[in-house]
Amino acid sequence: DTGVSQNPRHKITKRGQNVTFRCDPISEHNRLYWYRQTLGQGPEFLTYFQNEAQLEKSRLLSDRFSAERPKGSFSTLEIQRTEQGDSAMYLCASSLLVAARSYNEQFFGPGTRLTVL
Amino acid sequence: AQTVTQSQPEMSVQEAETVTLSCTYDTSESNYYLFWYKQPPSRQMILVIRQEAYKQQNATENRFSVNFQKAAKSFSLKISDSQLGDTAMYFCAFMKPPTGPGTASKLTFGTGTRLQVTL
Repeated sequence: DTGVSQNPRHKITKRGQNVTFRCDPISEHNRLYWYRQTLGQGPEFLTYFQNEAQLEKSRLLSDRFSAERPKGSFSTLEIQRTEQGDSAMYLCASSLLVAARSYNEQFFGPGTRLTVL
Repeated sequence: AQTVTQSQPEMSVQEAETVTLSCTYDTSESNYYLFWYKQPPSRQMILVIRQEAYKQQNATENRFSVNFQKAAKSFSLKISDSQLGDTAMYFCAFMKPPTGPGTASKLTFGTGTRLQVTL
């Protein structure tokens, strides 16, 4: 197992274009998280999946953002009509839920750095 | 809502020396987890150390240890015998325990401290 992977690692796009990022979690991890990290800030929670169900979304996730996790494996994060303010590092993390109310460590991917020109 | 504050944007330490990174947080919860994550340049974030709020004993992982002061809501990280490979951004983070099977265990991060280890 090679850990959480994200593709692409870097994406440069023009304002108004759509972009899609992919996250492959550690196999058998049933929980998947997306975070956004802007320059000089810590990561901020965007959304969370348990298996294929998207169970929570942050208010940061505007209607231009959509995330999916078909079949409970990899996940995609799409941003439509990108704006310069969307420029950030998008991080994915996965964890394995063993028991309800138990702690489960989140393992992070390397991130996708988005630059909107 | 929880907040995490790291008041040291940058720190520098010489190799083999000891450095302490500060973190304070605000919460009304009585049970929670606190973490220190390391983010090396252009590499993924990794967990350094974890502390459960209900445990009075400070967590230790090899050269890394914490000073957890629950009443003061303070959670500092001490790195002993600093090594060049410790150069990275360090983030303090907070997590509420999940309240149910579908509840997100989302992390709330501070703004980070950039640590440079020098020769």
